Amino acid sequence: AQSVTQLDSQVPVFEEAPVELRCNYSSSVSVYLFWYVQYPNQGLQLLLKYLSGSTLVESINGFEAEFNKSQTSFHLRKPSVHISDTAEYFCAVSDTGFQKLVFGTGTRLLVSP
Amino acid sequence: ETGVTQSPTHLIKTRGQQVTLRCSSQSGHNTVSWYQQALGQGPQFIFQYYREEENGRGNFPPRFSGLQFPNYSSELNVNALELDDSALYLCASNVAGPQETQYFGPGTRLLVL
Repeated sequence: AQSVTQLDSQVPVFEEAPVELRCNYSSSVSVYLFWYVQYPNQGLQLLLKYLSGSTLVESINGFEAEFNKSQTSFHLRKPSVHISDTAEYFCAVSDTGFQKLVFGTGTRLLVSP
Repeated sequence: ETGVTQSPTHLIKTRGQQVTLRCSSQSGHNTVSWYQQALGQGPQFIFQYYREEENGRGNFPPRFSGLQFPNYSSELNVNALELDDSALYLCASNVAGPQETQYFGPGTRLLVL
């Protein structure tokens, strides 16, 4: 069975500082990996995804994640955060495609001035 | 704006009652998935419907059932409500295909007393 572990329930950081949100997964087969963001009182928005190919994937708003098969990790990074990045971030895995996802418990990113 | 809407936004029910939650997908999205997100947890996959047939189910009992209609709307029905059913219920829709991104609605928050 697949599972996702997000060890950090909350990550406080100052504006313009770098941040890393950690994600580890377990799966016995090839995986699709995802990061979703959830703003208060909203649904989930896809931030970035990994299917195959380059292990480094990037989003349009400056986030990036690196797939590390040996460490079964898919950590999310941003070199300089903004106040508007304050949200809940979920890592997810699937072995069947972009649906039927298994999510982690989420990491709340709190960016302060 | 994902083009996926859900109603109602909030709902209060008592234990033992039945509830119907509704989702309206983007035109052309013939696949809809439902997720349950308990407070402080990541979303959990309930089931998926493709062309009005169930196409995969997570670890949820049969009292969770669904319907999908030809007009790109769908329903989640929960019978014999339990206190633990209190959660945010998210629907997500997509065009069929393992690499088709799913788009999430804002969710319905259900409170069972």
